[in-house]
This record gives sequence, C-alpha cells and structure tokens, in this order.
Amino acid sequence: DAMVIQNPRYQVTQFGKPVTLSCSQTLNHNVMYWYQQKSSQAPKLLFHYYDKDFNNEADTPDNFQSRRPNTSFCFLDIRSPGLGDAAMYLCATSSGERGYNEQFFGPGTRLTVL
Amino acid sequence: GQSLEQPSEVTAVEGAIVQINCTYQTSGFYGLSWYQQHDGGAPTFLSYNALDGLEETGRFSSFLSRSDSYGYLLLQELQMKDSASYFCAVIMDSSYKLIFGSGTRLLVRP
Repeated sequence: DAMVIQNPRYQVTQFGKPVTLSCSQTLNHNVMYWYQQKSSQAPKLLFHYYDKDFNNEADTPDNFQSRRPNTSFCFLDIRSPGLGDAAMYLCATSSGERGYNEQFFGPGTRLTVL
Repeated sequence: GQSLEQPSEVTAVEGAIVQINCTYQTSGFYGLSWYQQHDGGAPTFLSYNALDGLEETGRFSSFLSRSDSYGYLLLQELQMKDSASYFCAVIMDSSYKLIFGSGTRLLVRP
C-alpha cells in the first residue's frame, strides 16, 4: 500500500543534543510537509517542499531545519532541542494538484526532550 | 491574517447526529477541508469543499457557504469510534498549505 512512513515513532533526546527525524513516502507526491503538534492543539506547519523548492514558515525557529534529498525522503533536523520542542512531529504529503490539497499524514514521531 | 473558529468540545449520544461548525477569516480562500484525528493518531482526510453546498460521504457530510465564510461537518448515526478531534482547514489559493482550525473534540457517549 502507498503510504507515508516516519521513523522513529518515538525519539528521546537530551536538551541541546541534535536530533533528526525522517519521513519517506511511496505516493510519489510532489509536496512534503513537516508539522509540529502539541497536546490538544492543531498541527502547526513548520515548512514544506514543492519538489526541491523549500518554503519556510515565518515563525519557524531557526533551530529547525529540513532536507529533501529526493522525492521520497524528507528529514527534520532539530539542532539544539529545548524542552519546548517536545511534541509530536507529523510528516505529510500531497500531490501538488492546485487547490485540492488532500494531505496524507504519516503516523508521527513523538519527541521527548530530557 | 487568517483565523478559523470551531467549538472546542462537543458531546453527543451514540446514534445521534452532530454538527461541527467552522467560521473562517482568510484572504485567498480556495476551499475547506475536514480532518479527523484520534488520540495518538495522525490526522486523516474526511472531506473537501471548494464550491458552496453539501458534499456527502457515507455517514459524514460537509457544507460550505463562501458568502458567509462558514462551513460545517455533519456526522450521522454516531458511533463510539467517532470520538476524536475534528479539524477544519482552509486551503489557500496561492500555495499548497493548509491552515488548521484549533479543533473540536467530539465525545460520543453510549
């Protein structure tokens, strides 16, 4: 089945220790997104790629970076995690068809910062 | 800026009908989507409205009125498994982004 896969599902890191979350997709979608979701809140878009074009949200902290080496993979790098970065991180994809934008979400990576 | 408003919580009885409203203020509105998210799970797509009117998919229906900047999700024949959070999300016409509402937590009681 075509899907969005995130690894790991659970990640524990120490305050200030860099961490990388990964996402892969078998849908061959043009657009990939990274969201941060904290408890009882809506997903908050961090950035997205249309193909290799990177789009950063204005309020995404510099501490968060992303890479998309090819169509299938996208990575979220948190350079110096703080306690406030503990959250669920969701990767999503969409075909890029203008205006329709059904997004397919991965299962998420729950990040704990000690 | 953009804003979307939904009720924070709704409670209903199994077998009943419930409506979750969403009002929005955005520039460049293209369409309105609804997503369901169970606790600990990922959001899943439910419906999409680009034009005014009602879209029906099984027990779920979604409505949009562009002139009123208003939409709703209608859930019929509620089941216990429908207990989840429901997010409305606006699609912006100049991007591939979704702007999510704050979400409505639906609790279905026996």
